[in-house]
Amino acid sequence: AQSVAQPEDQVNVAEGNPLTVKCTYSVSGNPYLFWYVQYPNRGLQFLLKYITGDNLVKGSYGFEAEFNKSQTSFHLKKPSALVSDSALYFCAVRVQKTSYDKVIFGPGTSLSVIP
Amino acid sequence: DSGVTQTPKHLITATGQRVTLRCSPRSGDLSVYWYQQSLDQGLQFLIQYYNGEERAKGNILERFSAQQFPDLHSELNLSSLELGDSALYFCASSGSTSLSSYNEQFFGPGTRLTVL
Repeated sequence: AQSVAQPEDQVNVAEGNPLTVKCTYSVSGNPYLFWYVQYPNRGLQFLLKYITGDNLVKGSYGFEAEFNKSQTSFHLKKPSALVSDSALYFCAVRVQKTSYDKVIFGPGTSLSVIP
Repeated sequence: DSGVTQTPKHLITATGQRVTLRCSPRSGDLSVYWYQQSLDQGLQFLIQYYNGEERAKGNILERFSAQQFPDLHSELNLSSLELGDSALYFCASSGSTSLSSYNEQFFGPGTRLTVL
């Protein structure tokens, strides 16, 4: 089955420390992967995507993600966390079948950056 | 501001009623997606339209329906509402010029539906 998983419901990190939010996927064919962020009472905002090419993708607000084909992972990273990074983060993957072509979202990981 | 607008922002109604949620995509975007977000179910994909035609269906109940109009705005109709339908409903749009979904989606601010 094609799916995306975020193994951690909650990630806590101290301000200034590096952060990682994990994502693993299972799709057939080449994966198209996305990260979105949701701040309280707001819609999701696009952070970055991997389509092809360099395994390290840079995105908005200093975030980056590393695509690892052998581990089927696409972890989100930031070298130095800010309190304002506290939000809900969603990993998403393109799922393609004969009858449809759509994106599915993981369950989300709540990130808390502690001052 | 994503450029996607949704109305109304809040909606409070009673069980058994019917409501319509409206979405205007970003200028030029042909694809519109509807999602339901609740605490217990997370973010659930409901349905996608591309240039007026239904392209993909997710976990959309038979009591729910949607359409995309010639001006590309979309409406999500929810009928025979139940308490469990209380959730945030998001609309998103993308600039897909084909059926491919590798373009990122731009989300509206959502409509918070409360069913009493």
